[in-house]
Amino acid sequence: GQNIDQPTEMTATEGAIVQINCTYQTSGFNGLFWYQQHAGEAPTFLSYNVLDGLEEKGRFSSFLSRSKGYSYLLLKELQMKDSASYLCAVTDSNYQLIWGAGTKLIIKP
Amino acid sequence: GAVVSQHPSWVICKSGTSVKIECRSLDFQATTMFWYRQFPKQSLMLMATSNEGSKATYEQGVEKDKFLINHASLTLSTLTVTSAHPEDSSFYICSARDSPDYEQYFGPGTRLTVT
Repeated sequence: GQNIDQPTEMTATEGAIVQINCTYQTSGFNGLFWYQQHAGEAPTFLSYNVLDGLEEKGRFSSFLSRSKGYSYLLLKELQMKDSASYLCAVTDSNYQLIWGAGTKLIIKP
Repeated sequence: GAVVSQHPSWVICKSGTSVKIECRSLDFQATTMFWYRQFPKQSLMLMATSNEGSKATYEQGVEKDKFLINHASLTLSTLTVTSAHPEDSSFYICSARDSPDYEQYFGPGTRLTVT
């Protein structure tokens, strides 16, 4: 079966750095996405990785290792507005998007 | 960036009535549109995938006669919840993409409350 695993909830302090991990087992691989979703709102796109390595975009970076079926989202200089759920999703060989359950990130002052 | 709109943003209806939700891609042609449902504190649940001009593909456990999906053009898909019941109350989100290997663009969602 297809499976995406990520922690249910994480807590971090304002100004700090947090890493949210995602592991996947899917039928094929055509890319991995990270989305941010604030409560009561639709998800918004953060990053896309299809090749191994680190993609940096401002305070957010995303890493991919296809051989390990592993990705992480790194958030630096955390701000209170970063409190949200972070969704990992993988596109399989049929270009179906397989979603993780999301990681709720709580930022404390 | 690409924009997807949904209408209405929220709706309250009585049990037994039908509700139609529209999803539009405003500045690109959406070859594929997706409909999701999300219950409080839960992740997105894909309901169905629709390609323009063809019948929607429903996920297991989703009643196609209850959730009618029409994708008549490259910029519009509609979801009709027929004979709605209180357990259908949820946050319905559509997304669209123009290419199979890139991101889905999400609409803002529609909150449905069935009384």
